[in-house]
Amino acid sequence: EAGVAQSPRYKIIEKRQSVAFWCNPISGHATLYWYQQILGQGPKLLIQFQNNGVVDDSQLPKDRFSAERLKGVDSTLKIQPAKLEDSAVYLCASSRGQVETQYFGPGTRLLVL
Amino acid sequence: DQQVKQNSPSLSVQEGRISILNCDYTNSMFDYFLWYKKYPAEGPTFLISISSIKDKNEDGRFTVFLNKSAKHLSLHIVPSQPGDSAVYFCAASVSLNRYKLSFGAGTTVTVRA
Repeated sequence: EAGVAQSPRYKIIEKRQSVAFWCNPISGHATLYWYQQILGQGPKLLIQFQNNGVVDDSQLPKDRFSAERLKGVDSTLKIQPAKLEDSAVYLCASSRGQVETQYFGPGTRLLVL
Repeated sequence: DQQVKQNSPSLSVQEGRISILNCDYTNSMFDYFLWYKKYPAEGPTFLISISSIKDKNEDGRFTVFLNKSAKHLSLHIVPSQPGDSAVYFCAASVSLNRYKLSFGAGTTVTVRA
């Protein structure tokens, strides 16, 4: 069974630029999560999807971050415009359901200069 | 507001000996706890979990102990092996929002041959 796929693996941009990350969850997993992990901290949930609907985006900075999950499969997370403090690893995870084990992708490491 | 704390950023242990990782939490509503393991350039992988109705859960070489009165849990790895060298994250959630995991900052374990 293929794991959670994410791309790109690394991204370097300048502040005020835009960036997008892509995630392909494990086949059959209805629930998808985006986390932000700042250096030296644990992952922090940004947004959770159940199929193509948003369940929880309470910790998503909506003035600059947006996410979508078209057709309930792949998802993209966008930052526009980026700030220096957005430098982090962005992890995507998926699970069969909301109370099931979450499986994480390798993450995208973002550096904002 | 860090509700889950791992106060030891690193731990070094000799192969064959016991590794003990500690985790403290402040939110008394947490009733489900997990440990995740992370290798470099990979996403976290689920290791073991415990519900608040138990005080111990065992899976092979890994045992998690929960002390609800002290709001403390620990992960024991016996015996430690070189492949156990990784970052270990403690996470907690409330049953009603099982998906919403609060992570600690992680403990880096190095197993010496």
